[in-house]
Amino acid sequence: GAGVSQTPSNKVTEKGKYVELRCDPISGHTALYWYRQSLGQGPEFLIYFQGTGAADDSGLPNDRFFAVRPEGSVSTLKIQRTERGDSAVYLCASSFENRGTGFYNEQFFGPGTRLTVL
Amino acid sequence: QKEVEQDPGPLSVPEGAIVSLNCTYSNSAFQYFMWYRQYSRKGPELLMYTYSSGNKEDGRFTAQVDKSSKYISLFIRDSQPSDSATYLCAMSGGLNTDKLIFGTGTRLQVFP
Repeated sequence: GAGVSQTPSNKVTEKGKYVELRCDPISGHTALYWYRQSLGQGPEFLIYFQGTGAADDSGLPNDRFFAVRPEGSVSTLKIQRTERGDSAVYLCASSFENRGTGFYNEQFFGPGTRLTVL
Repeated sequence: QKEVEQDPGPLSVPEGAIVSLNCTYSNSAFQYFMWYRQYSRKGPELLMYTYSSGNKEDGRFTAQVDKSSKYISLFIRDSQPSDSATYLCAMSGGLNTDKLIFGTGTRLQVFP
């Protein structure tokens, strides 16, 4: 079956511009996550959706970053007034609803969107 | 200090060697301990997970968690060139805190 897909795969933009990154999760997965991975680093949590609502947005670095998931499926990460420091790979992951203590709800990752801010 | 520390390597070993990868952490609330593998320009994929302390084996891979020392390990036996990738440890607090906290990742190269 289809995995998590992300578009575009690469995005080059200029400092100050607005960008949108899209994530299509695995069908039936209610949980959706966004992470950011800088070069040579592990992924860093940004935001987590359970259904349509953001259950945890504690990782968003500032108010230039915003994410939505209006119908509980596709999600869009929006970055306003991009800065060079926003350059990174943005990863999306999805999983089933929590199954209880002792069971890890595996997060399946997409291939990421490589964002370059010039 | 980061919540999860991992030696970035790179680690270069001959084919057939036993590889040991490790992470330390500081947050005692972590309950789930995962190892993800990431090939270049791909998303991470789950190798194994362990709930709480203990060992878990899956083929050539063994994961160990020592919560008293806040130390986790992944062992790869009979390493193959196809194991060459970046290995990321990740942890989460469990039931209502599913966000993953990752280590830096260790780059492994297995040469023939």
